[in-house]
Amino acid sequence: NAGVTQTPKFQVLKTGQSMTLQCAQDMNHNSMYWYRQDPGMGLRLIYYSASEGTTDKGEVPNGYNVSRLNKREFSLRLESAAPSQTSVYFCASSEAGGGQGEKLFFGSGTQLSVL
Amino acid sequence: AQRVTQPEKLLSVFKGAPVELKCNYSYSGSPELFWYVQYSRQRLQLLLRHISRESIKGFTADLNKGETSFHLKKPFAQEEDSAMYYCALPPKRGYGKLTFGQGTILTVHP
Repeated sequence: NAGVTQTPKFQVLKTGQSMTLQCAQDMNHNSMYWYRQDPGMGLRLIYYSASEGTTDKGEVPNGYNVSRLNKREFSLRLESAAPSQTSVYFCASSEAGGGQGEKLFFGSGTQLSVL
Repeated sequence: AQRVTQPEKLLSVFKGAPVELKCNYSYSGSPELFWYVQYSRQRLQLLLRHISRESIKGFTADLNKGETSFHLKKPFAQEEDSAMYYCALPPKRGYGKLTFGQGTILTVHP
């Protein structure tokens, strides 16, 4: 059981380049999330998808777009990468409708550097 | 707005010493709080949650509504406890979109 799978694990981009981070989960979870992890800032929510077919902005959505392709997959796209987007990106998933007691399952992360 | 604050970026203790990782929150009402942990080369994972009242790997956390705190404690730290720890708060409405603190890196020296 793979859980949450993210690709790629590492990526170096030049300013202005675009790329898509892929995420897939095999736990039949309804909700999926993209977070970025920065030193001193903790984890900040970029976008989330409460269920298939819906997406909503999180705390730091500027410069990103997302696609909930189906129940399993949730991709994050950087249209024109900027150095400020250098970060570690985490995808996560959870069951929905459980009230506040949600447990998130995380992928292994993507380390992105924008030069 | 709800907020989670972990005042210590780094915390170092020796093996066998007690450890307390601090977490303060801003939230109106009765929050459900979580501690997540990221060990070296492992995924971020749930350590424990307030609602479960459980002790995981010897860690406990008590919600103090008066002080708006949810500190993580362990009486005798072990080297394998060295990790990044995040305190997290769920949204007032909806679910899953946790607000994380800044994280504390715990190092347990032999």
